[in-house]
Amino acid sequence: KAGVTQTPRYLIKTRGQQVTLSCSPISGHRSVSWYQQTPGQGLQFLFEYFSETQRNKGNFPGRFSGRQFSNSRSEMNVSTLELGDSALYLCASSLGTGLHNEQFFGPGTRLTVL
Amino acid sequence: GESVGLHLPTLSVQEGDNSIINCAYSNSASDYFIWYKQESGKGPQFIIDIRSNMDKRQGQRVTVLLNKTVKHLSLQIAATQPGDSAVYFCAENTGNQFYFGTGTSLTVIP
Repeated sequence: KAGVTQTPRYLIKTRGQQVTLSCSPISGHRSVSWYQQTPGQGLQFLFEYFSETQRNKGNFPGRFSGRQFSNSRSEMNVSTLELGDSALYLCASSLGTGLHNEQFFGPGTRLTVL
Repeated sequence: GESVGLHLPTLSVQEGDNSIINCAYSNSASDYFIWYKQESGKGPQFIIDIRSNMDKRQGQRVTVLLNKTVKHLSLQIAATQPGDSAVYFCAENTGNQFYFGTGTSLTVIP
C-alpha cells in the first residue's frame, strides 16, 4: 500500500506570493491533517479535514487555508507569504477522524520564502 | 496553553546501550500520547503510543512509560542501533488536537 505523498517536495517563493501544497493520503484513509514544522517551534497543528469538512483548526492566521476533495486528497494554501512561513509542511492521514487515530506522515514539502 | 517539552535536546549513546528519551507535558487532561521518530529528510514515523489508562506499553525494542502524577513520558530503546539515530519527539492529545515537542536528537556511536 502506497504511503502518504506530498507534492511538491521543495518550493521557493518570494514574500507576498501565494502557494498551494498537495497531499494524497493512504488509500482508504479519510482524514488528513496538516502541520508546520520549524526548528524553533517543532510541529504545529494547522488543520484537519475529514470527508471534505474541516474538523479541527490550529492557531494560524487566515492566510493559511485548506480543503479536501471527494477522493480524500487535500490541498493547503498560504496566501501573502511571509519570511516566517518558511518551514517543512507535513500532512498526515488516518483512517478516521478524532485525533486518537494513528497518523501516518508524508515526507513533507520544504517551503522557502525569500 | 499546552506545552510539550523534552528535557535534553541531544543524546549520544554507544551502540548496544539502552537509550532513554524524556518528555514533559503540561495538560493533565491529555489522554493519548505518541512517540515519533524523524530521520533527516523524512516525515515523522510512528513508534509507539499509550493511552492515559496505562502506565507502560512495550513494542519491539521500545517501551513507553507514562507517569501521570508528574506529567512525564519516556521512551526507552533497548540495544540501540545506528539506525536509531534520528530526532525523537512526543505528542500529546487532549481530544481536540495533537501538541508536539521540539524533539531530542539521538546519535548512536558505533
